[in-house]
Amino acid sequence: DQQVKQNSPSLSVQEGRISILNCDYTNSMFDYFLWYKKYPAEGPTFLISISSIKDKNEDGRFTVFLNKSAKHLSLHIVPSQPGDSAVYFCAATLHDQFYFGTGTSLTVIP
Amino acid sequence: NAGVTQTPKFQVLKTGQSMTLQCAQDMNHNSMYWYRQDPGMGLRLIYYSASEGTTDKGEVPNGYNVSRLNKREFSLRLESAAPSQTSVYFCASSQTGRQPQHFGDGTRLSIL
Repeated sequence: DQQVKQNSPSLSVQEGRISILNCDYTNSMFDYFLWYKKYPAEGPTFLISISSIKDKNEDGRFTVFLNKSAKHLSLHIVPSQPGDSAVYFCAATLHDQFYFGTGTSLTVIP
Repeated sequence: NAGVTQTPKFQVLKTGQSMTLQCAQDMNHNSMYWYRQDPGMGLRLIYYSASEGTTDKGEVPNGYNVSRLNKREFSLRLESAAPSQTSVYFCASSQTGRQPQHFGDGTRLSIL
């Protein structure tokens, strides 16, 4: 059973607009959430994280929102740039294990 | 900075052959992980090592063994490869289980 889900396999956004990537999880015991970015033929790279005691974390153009009651996580990228085109994975941790979603492929159109 | 280094980058095996995938990190991290990535499945944890001298099963451990050789190195072994193990394998490390992981660039493994 997939405990972390990304229901949108792909997303296309115009350059300069906002990209919103969504993630849902089923286990209320998860206590730390992360977003990773992956380019083809490379490993994922860490983007931004949030602890379960917070509901928002910002880092430059990237903001992660956590809604614990809905078990929902989102990543906002503003403004979107062509270099942001990649696959984005959300992940959640519990007891030293990381659980990943299936990924959303973001295309930013110039 | 090397970060996490995986070898080999590509490998083709025949069914029944054995192989060890190597992983080394130079960040003095305590925790190391092995994942496989398959189309539409995301990253699935095979085994992890929370600290030197310990290893634990993840979501999909069947058909694999691991060795935490020392703090730097964590190897993954396929004793008798099967076509279902065709995948991209990623090694990762982190300081603890609640800190971001650093990933290698993956090993692309095909089993015929």
